[in-house]
Amino acid sequence: AQKITQTQPGMFVQEKEAVTLDCTYDTSDPSYGLFWYKQPSSGEMIFLIYQGSYDQQNATEGRYSLNFQKARKSANLVISASQLGDSAMYFCATSLYNQGGKLIFGQGTELSVKP
Amino acid sequence: DTAVSQTPKYLVTQMGNDKSIKCEQNLGHDTMYWYKQDSKKFLKIMFSYNNKELIINETVPNRFSPKSPDKAHLNLHINSLELGDSAVYFCASSQEIRGKNIQYFGAGTRLSVL
Repeated sequence: AQKITQTQPGMFVQEKEAVTLDCTYDTSDPSYGLFWYKQPSSGEMIFLIYQGSYDQQNATEGRYSLNFQKARKSANLVISASQLGDSAMYFCATSLYNQGGKLIFGQGTELSVKP
Repeated sequence: DTAVSQTPKYLVTQMGNDKSIKCEQNLGHDTMYWYKQDSKKFLKIMFSYNNKELIINETVPNRFSPKSPDKAHLNLHINSLELGDSAVYFCASSQEIRGKNIQYFGAGTRLSVL
């Protein structure tokens, strides 16, 4: 069975600094996707970045990059140049290619950006 | 022109009542989902429909019944509401392309059962 683990319940970062949010996953299937979502205090779920298990390069989307280390089964999110608006809950998730898109989520990491 | 819209945003009701949450997506996606986020912020899938066909049905009480009149709509009806049903319910949609299946979420419906 798939599993996602986020070991940091809460993180603090200084504005303009970079921060890494940890995510490890467990699956025996070779075909899967890894996702990061942001949930601000307003409650909506915002898609940030995607990494496929066969992608050779780490995914990047603006200030977000995904540090994909397949052998270690980790998919850490790196946010560069943190902004106050980055304060939110961040969820790592995974889905298998052949399971109809079912997302398995981690417990989340609450990020606070300090001015 | 919201991509995935849910109504209502807030729902407060008494135990034992029946309520529905509606979801619509204008992204042209084939697949729609319902997720439940509990008080500890944990998200878990409940149902998924692909082109009006139920494809994922997790271990959810029979009191929860999804209905998809067309591929752009997926509604969730809940009978005999219980205190434990209080949660935030999210609708999402996606279109799989070569295994890549990014889901876009609605704003959520916060259900409070009193």
